[in-house]
Formats: sequence, C-alpha cells, structure tokens
Amino acid sequence: IAGITQAPTSQILAAGRRMTLRCTQDMRHNAMYWYRQDLGLGLRLIHYSNTAGTTGKGEVPDGYSVSRANTDDFPLTLASAVPSQTSVYFCASSDAGGATDTQYFGPGTRLTVL
Amino acid sequence: GQNIDQPTEMTATEGAIVQINCTYQTSGFNGLFWYQQHAGEAPTFLSYNVLDGLEEKGRFSSFLSRSKGYSYLLLKELQMKDSASYLCAVRDSNYQLIWGAGTKLIIKP
Repeated sequence: IAGITQAPTSQILAAGRRMTLRCTQDMRHNAMYWYRQDLGLGLRLIHYSNTAGTTGKGEVPDGYSVSRANTDDFPLTLASAVPSQTSVYFCASSDAGGATDTQYFGPGTRLTVL
Repeated sequence: GQNIDQPTEMTATEGAIVQINCTYQTSGFNGLFWYQQHAGEAPTFLSYNVLDGLEEKGRFSSFLSRSKGYSYLLLKELQMKDSASYLCAVRDSNYQLIWGAGTKLIIKP
C-alpha cells in the first residue's frame, strides 16, 4: 500500500441499508478526515480524528459515524442510508502538527443511495 | 459565516497564462491551500501560503494577501493536462479546512 486507499470504489445502496466505507493509510499520519463532495459545493467535512482513539464532528456529521481504533484505519458508517447521502466520499490524512499539515486524499468512493 | 469564493469556470489557451482568484472570509486564518482535481479523481496538493507574498513552484505560483483576504493561483505555459478543477481552501481558527467550490479550468488548443 502506498498512501491512502478507500473501498469500495463505488456502490449502489438501497435506502435504509447500513454501509461502511473503508479508509486505510500507510503514512503513519496522526490525523484523518472524511469529506463529501457534491456538485457545485466545496468539500464538506463529515468527521475527523486528530489521533487514534479520538474523533470529532465536522460540518455535516448527521447520519454518519466513525471510529479510530488504530493509526491506519478510519471507517465511515452510514447507519441507515438516505438518498441525500448520494455523493462522492473522500478520506484524507495529514501529519497534524507538521510544518504545513497538508492533507492527502484517497481516490474516493462514489455512493448512490436509491 | 465562513465563505470561500472562486470563479466557477475559466477558459484559457494552451501555452498561455491564467490566474485563478480566491477570496475568503473565515473565522481566523492559519494558511491557504490550492489543490488540483482532475475529473473523477482525488484532489492533489499544489501549494501552501501562510505569509503574504508569492510562492513559486515550477509553472505554478500562488500569491496571498491576508489583509485583503485574497489569493490567486497563476499557471504559466498552460498544457492540455492542466485542464482540471482548482480548489482553494483556508485553514480557520479551529484548524479545519474551509473549501471553495472550485474553479473548472478548460484549456483549448
């Protein structure tokens, strides 16, 4: 693995179903983030984690949950999917506290909720 | 509220120069980032400014004026592969990134 990986690449999901989007990084970054990207809008932060064992809410957390059991993994769960959660989801990581704290992104998961 | 403004779309000619502007109003300022995003791909980091002035990196340069809440990304010697969206993001007082909607740059031969 080099960088950040996300799975699945894309998914079509029935409304009401539970879904977990996976994210793994091998850069030993302490901070990780989940964003959604919708047409015409900027990236919006869903949840973040500054270090393993801690998580925080972003701008649009409702309907989503996260966990950070270790440094490398940061899964995002939709407990009961709704059509408004149709979006492209990006996971990112950064070396928080580093010189620039630049965020690096995974390839994204395209999710469609019907 | 917090706001990042960028033009929605710009068109330029291969070999030319283009300037993409970004204005921001945020609660605090802890740096400004530019990212490039090709269609269907992830954003990739281009540049970071935290002090006023120009940062040059090859064909790309980024400028910041904190007093004016303004930045621009300058792309020189445009190539067809520069066709992409360019995202401006500001780190606010909570150290979270606030993102603009992006500028879609179309390069014509």
